[in-house]
Amino acid sequence: SQTIHQWPATLVQPVGSPLSLECTVEGTSNPNLYWYRQAAGRGLQLLFYSVGIGQISSEVPQNLSASRPQDRQFILSSKKLLLSDSGFYLCAWSVLGIYGYTFGSGTRLTVV
Amino acid sequence: AQSVTQPDIHITVSEGASLELRCNYSYGATPYLFWYVQSPGQGLQLLLKYFSGDTLVQGIKGFEAEFKRSQSSFNLRKPSVHWSDAAEYFCAVGALDSGYALNFGKGTSLLVTP
Repeated sequence: SQTIHQWPATLVQPVGSPLSLECTVEGTSNPNLYWYRQAAGRGLQLLFYSVGIGQISSEVPQNLSASRPQDRQFILSSKKLLLSDSGFYLCAWSVLGIYGYTFGSGTRLTVV
Repeated sequence: AQSVTQPDIHITVSEGASLELRCNYSYGATPYLFWYVQSPGQGLQLLLKYFSGDTLVQGIKGFEAEFKRSQSSFNLRKPSVHWSDAAEYFCAVGALDSGYALNFGKGTSLLVTP
């Protein structure tokens, strides 16, 4: 079956510390992968998407970066967190969007 | 670029009353349209989706949505709301120029009163 794993579920990090959030997909090959952020009281904003290994596209300029070292692994990183990086981060995958999208359970990041 | 507008930030309905959540999209071709629900502190759950064909789409939990190309709308409806339907609802459109990423509306928060 097709599943998506995202961890950790919650994270509290100090300002200026690094960040690494990992997302892995099972049960499919060559998916499109996505990172979204949901800030308090706001909708879901697309941060990055990837259509293949090593291929990363950024939708908004920010303090974050993404990498896709393996076909079914997507990593969101930061070298130095800002307070404004707090939010709910969701990973998702799809196959050309035709068959829908599957979302991870999310990581709630609080930068203090 | 594809975009989605949900004009209502908050909606309050009485339990047992009917519900309609509005969604308007901007897209040059036939869009892929979705409705998701998010309970507090939870991830996203797909309610229904439209790709093509019958413009009235049935989803889970008794929800349905109707695609109206002339109005660029994809409104979500439910004939009788239950208290457990209180949640955040997001309309989304598939963006072909962003790796088929979903562009989400800002969401509508539904409150259900006794």
